[in-house]
Amino acid sequence: AQSVTQLDSQVPVFEEAPVELRCNYSSSVSVYLFWYVQYPNQGLQLLLKYLSGSTLVKGINGFEAEFNKSQTSFHLRKPSVHISDTAEYFCAVSERSQGNLIFGKGTKLSVKP
Amino acid sequence: GAVVSQHPSWVICKSGTSVKIECRSLDFQATTMFWYRQFPKQSLMLMATSNEGSKATYEQGVEKDKFLINHASLTLSTLTVTSAHPEDSSFYICSANQGLAGGQETQYFGPGTRLLVL
Repeated sequence: AQSVTQLDSQVPVFEEAPVELRCNYSSSVSVYLFWYVQYPNQGLQLLLKYLSGSTLVKGINGFEAEFNKSQTSFHLRKPSVHISDTAEYFCAVSERSQGNLIFGKGTKLSVKP
Repeated sequence: GAVVSQHPSWVICKSGTSVKIECRSLDFQATTMFWYRQFPKQSLMLMATSNEGSKATYEQGVEKDKFLINHASLTLSTLTVTSAHPEDSSFYICSANQGLAGGQETQYFGPGTRLLVL
């Protein structure tokens, strides 16, 4: 069975600063990895995904993530955040690209002016 | 991009009544849809996987007689919470699987339905 750990429940950061949201997973098989963003009272929006190929994945809104198989990590990064990036971010894993997703508990990113 | 809608976005009901939530894929056909629930300050928990034309597959601990799922067409799945109780109050989110060439399927999520049972 897979599991996802997001170590930080809340990350406060100042506008234009870089940010990294951490995600570690465990699985006995090959997995696909996803990052979703949830704005208040809204559903989830896909930021980026890793299915295969290059381990550095670029997504929307300037976010990117790097798949590290040896460390079983898929950390999300952005070099310069905006106030509008304030939201909750969920890391998720699935055994196959169309299978059900297992979510981490989420990280609330708060960007302050 | 692919759009998934849910209706209603908000529902308040009395204990003992049934509530139906619709999930639609607006611009693509989805052979598979998923239903999640999210409690306050917690992550999404998969409730069931819904395949068009067949019975839903429920996750362990989810009562199939309480949470009825119907996936009658490639663009519509419904979740009915039967005899709702206050503990069923939650945020229910559906997702639809858009099949793309090369197996690059992605789940697209609806905006969610907030259920409050009084």
